Amino acid sequence: AAGVIQSPRHLIKEKRETATLKCYPIPRHDTVYWYQQGPGQDPQFLISFYEKMQSDKGSIPDRFSAQQFSDYHSELNMSSLELGDSALYFCASSRRDGINEKLFFGSGTQLSVL
Amino acid sequence: KNEVEQSPQNLTAQEGEFITINCSYSVGISALHWLQQHPGGGIVSLFMLSSGKKKHGRLIATINIQEKHSSLHITASHPRDSAVYICAVRWGETSGSRLTFGEGTQLTVNP
Repeated sequence: AAGVIQSPRHLIKEKRETATLKCYPIPRHDTVYWYQQGPGQDPQFLISFYEKMQSDKGSIPDRFSAQQFSDYHSELNMSSLELGDSALYFCASSRRDGINEKLFFGSGTQLSVL
Repeated sequence: KNEVEQSPQNLTAQEGEFITINCSYSVGISALHWLQQHPGGGIVSLFMLSSGKKKHGRLIATINIQEKHSSLHITASHPRDSAVYICAVRWGETSGSRLTFGEGTQLTVNP
């Protein structure tokens, strides 16, 4: 069965560069969440989309932007990268069925800023 | 201070033992998820609860809405159950409302 696909798996960037992370949800899932997880830390919510519209926004820096496209995939754009942006970025997709919701998570993109 | 508290933070058990991991949250929620994360692996959703109890194989999850508390139980634990177990809650009602993660419980099951 198809899972949540994230690309790239690993990314190395220099300070002040830009990066684009992609998330492809499970087919027919209409919701995408983005999280940032530093080493040994809890995942921090960045932003989410439902039906291609921003649904909720968390502690996402102004240097970051994201959107969900017509095919429901989502991209997280990161500019003016800083050393502190080094983290695992993972996305999750879901679809509600009544009161039930099954979440599926991608394996993440490990971003290293040098 | 995290609004989602898990206990214990670390748990070591012998194979076959019954395991309980607890999760408490500060205010009423619309849903609670129990997640599993293996070392170097992705996160897998085990259960979504809004009330009552769910069971899947050796895993049982319960939630008490009034007491703002949920538990994950593992019966007949096995070394392959070793992982981080995370409680994540949603307060918003709308689709796409964020999930807030607990700090996780590191479970190690020894043979």
